[in-house]
Amino acid sequence: GAVVSQHPSRVICKSGTSVKIECRSLDFQATTMFWYRQFPKQSLMLMATSNEGSKATYEQGVEKDKFLINHASLTLSTLTVTSAHPEDSSFYICSASGRERYSNQPQHFGDGTRLSIL
Amino acid sequence: QKEVEQDPGPLSVPEGAIVSLNCTYSNSAFQYFMWYRQYSRKGPELLMYTYSSGNKEDGRFTAQVDKSSKYISLFIRDSQPSDSATYLCAMMRMDSSYKLIFGSGTRLLVRP
Repeated sequence: GAVVSQHPSRVICKSGTSVKIECRSLDFQATTMFWYRQFPKQSLMLMATSNEGSKATYEQGVEKDKFLINHASLTLSTLTVTSAHPEDSSFYICSASGRERYSNQPQHFGDGTRLSIL
Repeated sequence: QKEVEQDPGPLSVPEGAIVSLNCTYSNSAFQYFMWYRQYSRKGPELLMYTYSSGNKEDGRFTAQVDKSSKYISLFIRDSQPSDSATYLCAMMRMDSSYKLIFGSGTRLLVRP
């Protein structure tokens, strides 16, 4: 159980292109989804937190107009990197967490999207 | 000082060895403790999830939490080459934020 699917796994595109990444929870309802960025040999850096039906909360230093997050349903969140440039090249990972009354549920991660901007 | 400290390694052990991975933390508000395994170019996979202090065992894996010392451990028995990966500890407060605070990850290499 607790499977999170992320698509696409790999994107190579030209500078100036906008790229959309999808994150789906396949067998549970994800009340909260998270988007991370990971640089080589480093830990995960949280970019934003999104709750279904509300605006995402961005971490300090993350441009919300650059990284558009939509969490329209309990099973789907999308991250759109707008007008991507080479410095946006990175490994982007989503995670999803359900919620039970009186307890926090762990985050389950997708397999990541490797984004390369030429 | 980082909220969560974890030795980056690499840690190299022979097959069959018992592996001990550790993290220390500074924020006493952490109540949930997790260990994730991450293979290269993949997302983290949840291995263990514990609440508050104590031990939890799942197959070859044992997680320990000592809140008085702000210290958590993951033990891997009978380690296998397939266990070679980066292991990330993560912690969460008991509030509505649900944010995870990660350690930097320890690279483990199990030699055949």
